[in-house]
Amino acid sequence: EIVMTQSPATLSVSPGERATLSCRASQSVSTKLAWYQQTPGQAPRLLIYGASTRATGIPARFSGSGSGTEFTLTISSLQSEDFAVYYCQEYTNWPTFGQGTKLEIK
Amino acid sequence: DVQLVESGGGLIQPGGSLRLSCAASGFTVSSKQMSWVRQAPGKGLEWVSVIHSGGSTFYGDSVKGRFIISRDNSENTLYLQMNSLRAEDTAVYYCASRAGSGWYDNWGRGTLVTVST
Repeated sequence: EIVMTQSPATLSVSPGERATLSCRASQSVSTKLAWYQQTPGQAPRLLIYGASTRATGIPARFSGSGSGTEFTLTISSLQSEDFAVYYCQEYTNWPTFGQGTKLEIK
Repeated sequence: DVQLVESGGGLIQPGGSLRLSCAASGFTVSSKQMSWVRQAPGKGLEWVSVIHSGGSTFYGDSVKGRFIISRDNSENTLYLQMNSLRAEDTAVYYCASRAGSGWYDNWGRGTLVTVST
């Protein structure tokens, strides 16, 4: 079973600044990696798939990178609506999610 | 527009059964892999089950032998029959459609299942 580990657990960033979130896989998942955003009381929303492809309607300030075991989600200039919990998910076989990173306002 | 709407959640005693439904619109459930994903209060996301377009079904280890995923093509609805419920099954249950090789492109708003005396 692949284990996904996200860091940090909580990230405090000021609006307008850049945020960098990390996700590590316990073994290679190639680029079979997705990122989701979840705000309180809402369902997750797909941001990135294939490690770096933005989903339909996702702003260009969201970008994903990485392959193998190390992945990064970058939000270039934080807007108020970006403060949320972010999950990574691998999909090599049965889907496994990371435990999440909470992005909070500094 | 694609829409997924879950229903059927509620309060149930340990050992009881519950059936969740997920009504789809904007696409046919038989054309995509459909999954149930759950989220315990204050916790992360956990994959529960999937039904492939061909009808094959698979389950996570924590629910194997207790939960059954199915679909009704005529109703365009996905189901999750949950038996022998335990306190640790308490969660919001989301249905979601899988795209490409396995990411989830559409999610419902979820239905809360609470297993408690």
